[in-house]
Amino acid sequence: EAGVVQSPRYKIIEKKQPVAFWCNPISGHNTLYWYLQNLGQGPELLIRYENEEAVDDSQLPKDRFSAERLKGVDSTLKIQPAELGDSAVYLCASSLYGGTWSSYNEQFFGPGTRLTVL
Amino acid sequence: AQKITQTQPGMFVQEKEAVTLDCTYDTSDPSYGLFWYKQPSSGEMIFLIYQGSYDQQNATEGRYSLNFQKARKSANLVISASQLGDSAMYFCAMREEQGGSEKLVFGKGTKLTVNP
Repeated sequence: EAGVVQSPRYKIIEKKQPVAFWCNPISGHNTLYWYLQNLGQGPELLIRYENEEAVDDSQLPKDRFSAERLKGVDSTLKIQPAELGDSAVYLCASSLYGGTWSSYNEQFFGPGTRLTVL
Repeated sequence: AQKITQTQPGMFVQEKEAVTLDCTYDTSDPSYGLFWYKQPSSGEMIFLIYQGSYDQQNATEGRYSLNFQKARKSANLVISASQLGDSAMYFCAMREEQGGSEKLVFGKGTKLTVNP
């Protein structure tokens, strides 16, 4: 079974440029997450989707970040314009939410996109 | 306040020996879950082990075991018989539920180096 796919793996851009990251979750997984991981830190949730709906985007800086998950499968995270402080790894994860949080909900992560803003 | 604390930025262990990675957490929710993930240099987060707050026994998965001390709010990861391939970053995380939405809150991680 294929894992979570992310592209590109690496991206170098100049500040003020736009950038987009793409994520293809594990087939059948209805929940998709985007995390930001700064150097030397653990991942922090940016946005969580259940199917097409963004159910938690409280940590997404909406002035420059946007995300979409059309048809409840693939997702794109966009930054426009990028700033120097956006240099980080952007991780995508997916899971299968069965309708209750009574049991653990293992999240499967992709390899991430390492963004460098010059 | 930090919800997940990993106090060991780096740990070293000899191959074939056991190592314990520390994790303490802070929550007032009676129902929670604790996870450990491994992140090799390739970048992906690999799920290792899970412990639910109501689980009576410590979780084990192969060479990984979780030393869960609920009263102390600690969930240390024990890796037995370390292998060179265990060298990686290790993250402790807690499942947090807010208003029906769930997210994982991660600690800052511990870098484990296994020496031959």
